[in-house]
Amino acid sequence: SQQGEEDPQALSIQEGENATMNCSYKTSINNLQWYRQNSGRGLVHLILIRSNEREKHSGRLRVTLDTSKKSSSLLITASRAADTASYFCATDANQGAQKLVFGQGTRLTINP
Amino acid sequence: EPEVTQTPSHQVTQMGQEVILRCVPISNHLYFYWYRQILGQKVEFLVSFYNNEISEKSEIFDDQFSVERPDGSNFTLKIRSTKLEDSAMYFCASSEARAHGYTFGSGTRLTVV
Repeated sequence: SQQGEEDPQALSIQEGENATMNCSYKTSINNLQWYRQNSGRGLVHLILIRSNEREKHSGRLRVTLDTSKKSSSLLITASRAADTASYFCATDANQGAQKLVFGQGTRLTINP
Repeated sequence: EPEVTQTPSHQVTQMGQEVILRCVPISNHLYFYWYRQILGQKVEFLVSFYNNEISEKSEIFDDQFSVERPDGSNFTLKIRSTKLEDSAMYFCASSEARAHGYTFGSGTRLTVV
């Protein structure tokens, strides 16, 4: 497998439920970022968590990072139909220029 | 909210032709990037640019690719002789500083026929 693999590949839940997406990676990182992509559109930065941080919140988003397990999770609470999108984790492992390595993404569908 | 602007949104070109994809990063950002996403595949890093020079490039970014910041506001990606496999969505991004989140543009869908 490659750096930044999301799990599950697809997730379908009812509006109002919580959605959890996981990301695993292989190398040491400086930071890990989560992005959202609506179909055919650009990527929207959601949250960045640094390697010395364990948890971060932003509105209905909660990100955790476990560097010992090389994994991260993104929790979206009280999901809404507008949250339907693909979600990607991206790792920054480079010592020099910032170069993000993206995973395959989780396709999240929120059913009204 | 500041945006990264990319033009054109769609480009169809014949194999072997040169294409230039244009981007206007956010004005106070210092780091600029190009990524691409082939349909159904991962977003792939192409190149990063800082202080008027390439700071990192991937294996994809071969001699057919070049980047330029000609006038302090635009950031362009040129593909000299396009191949069918260059068909993809190309995203420009910028960031304010090292280890900050990116702001991505909406992308240019390039189709090589």
